[in-house]
Amino acid sequence: GQNIDQPTEMTATEGAIVQINCTYQTSGFNGLFWYQQHAGEAPTFLSYNVLDGLEEKGRFSSFLSRSKGYSYLLLKELQMKDSASYLCAVLDSNYQLIWGAGTKLIIKP
Amino acid sequence: SAVISQKPSRDICQRGTSLTIQCQVDSQVTMMFWYRQQPGQSLTLIATANQGSEATYESGFVIDKFPISRPNLTFSTLTVSNMSPEDSSIYLCSVADRESRTEAFFGQGTRLTVV
Repeated sequence: GQNIDQPTEMTATEGAIVQINCTYQTSGFNGLFWYQQHAGEAPTFLSYNVLDGLEEKGRFSSFLSRSKGYSYLLLKELQMKDSASYLCAVLDSNYQLIWGAGTKLIIKP
Repeated sequence: SAVISQKPSRDICQRGTSLTIQCQVDSQVTMMFWYRQQPGQSLTLIATANQGSEATYESGFVIDKFPISRPNLTFSTLTVSNMSPEDSSIYLCSVADRESRTEAFFGQGTRLTVV
């Protein structure tokens, strides 16, 4: 079966750095996405990785290792507005998104 | 990036009735999907809306309960039929372009409450 694993909840301090991990087992791989979702809102796109390595975009970076079936989202200089759920999703061989359950990130002052 | 208009944004419905949710995209897209997200949970794919043919439903979802239309490459509807309180959820339309493998874009979502 297809499976995406990520921690249920994480807590971090404002101004700090946090890394949210995601491991996956899917039928085929056409890329991995990270989305941010604030409560009551639709998910918004953060990043897309299809090749191994680190993609940096401002305060957010995403890393992928296809051989390990592993990705992480790195958030730097955390702000209170970063409190949200972060969803990992893999595009499988049928170009369908397989979703993780999401990681709820709580930022404390 | 695609701009998606989904409506209604929210509704409160009586059990036993049906609600049709519309999803309009500002450009032609290959793939359109309908998701459900229950409180505190991640997204669950209901079906892939296929242009000009019947939708492809995921396990646990059937056409009689969730009929879907996709008359063209920019528009789709999802109907939640014979609603019960268990259908209370957020329903999301998303689109993706298979050729460019761009990210999935989401509509604003429809928050449905069945009473």
